[in-house]
Amino acid sequence: DAGVIQSPRHEVTEMGQEVTLRCKPISGHNSLFWYRQTMMRGLELLIYFNNNVPIDDSGMPEDRFSAKMPNASFSTLKIQPSEPRDSAVYFCASSFRRTLSYEQYFGPGTRLTVT
Amino acid sequence: KQEVTQIPAALSVPEGENLVLNCSFTDSAIYNLQWFRQDPGKGLTSLLLIQSSQREQTSGRLNASLDKSSGRSTLYIAASQPGDSATYLCAAGGGADGLTFGKGTHLIIQP
Repeated sequence: DAGVIQSPRHEVTEMGQEVTLRCKPISGHNSLFWYRQTMMRGLELLIYFNNNVPIDDSGMPEDRFSAKMPNASFSTLKIQPSEPRDSAVYFCASSFRRTLSYEQYFGPGTRLTVT
Repeated sequence: KQEVTQIPAALSVPEGENLVLNCSFTDSAIYNLQWFRQDPGKGLTSLLLIQSSQREQTSGRLNASLDKSSGRSTLYIAASQPGDSATYLCAAGGGADGLTFGKGTHLIIQP
């Protein structure tokens, strides 16, 4: 399997612009997670989906952030409008919900810089 | 709310030493605990996952233990090598929920 795929790997944008990050989970996995990593706060969970349904979005920092999962093989995280404080590395992870293990597998991340 | 703490924040040791990284969590009602490695500018690589019913897991020179009742986990690295230099992250899992991460231990192995 190719693992979790994220695109783009790097994104540089100006304040006020819309940013869309994309994620393709591992085939067969039915849970998907979006995390953000900053120097100050470390890794934080933003939102997660089970079977394409958003379960908990309490980690989404503001209404400017939104996430969708239209099907089992694709998810997006959108920031509109973007601000410099949104600069961070955004990770997507997936897992297979079963009785014994919920091991999460991470993508390579998208490094976002908002100027 | 779960909180995860890792001690020490940074560690530098000569090659060949055995070392222990510590992780503590405030809510013992975890489903599993996962240790990751992160190299500079890279993603997370899963090293070991311990289910709540387990006490330890081993992979090569790595051994992770879990004591749920005391809210602690340790990662033991035997015979350290320069290639082990990285940041090691501990994460407490709530089952189908997301992971709560510690801030990590930045490890440097001196040749």
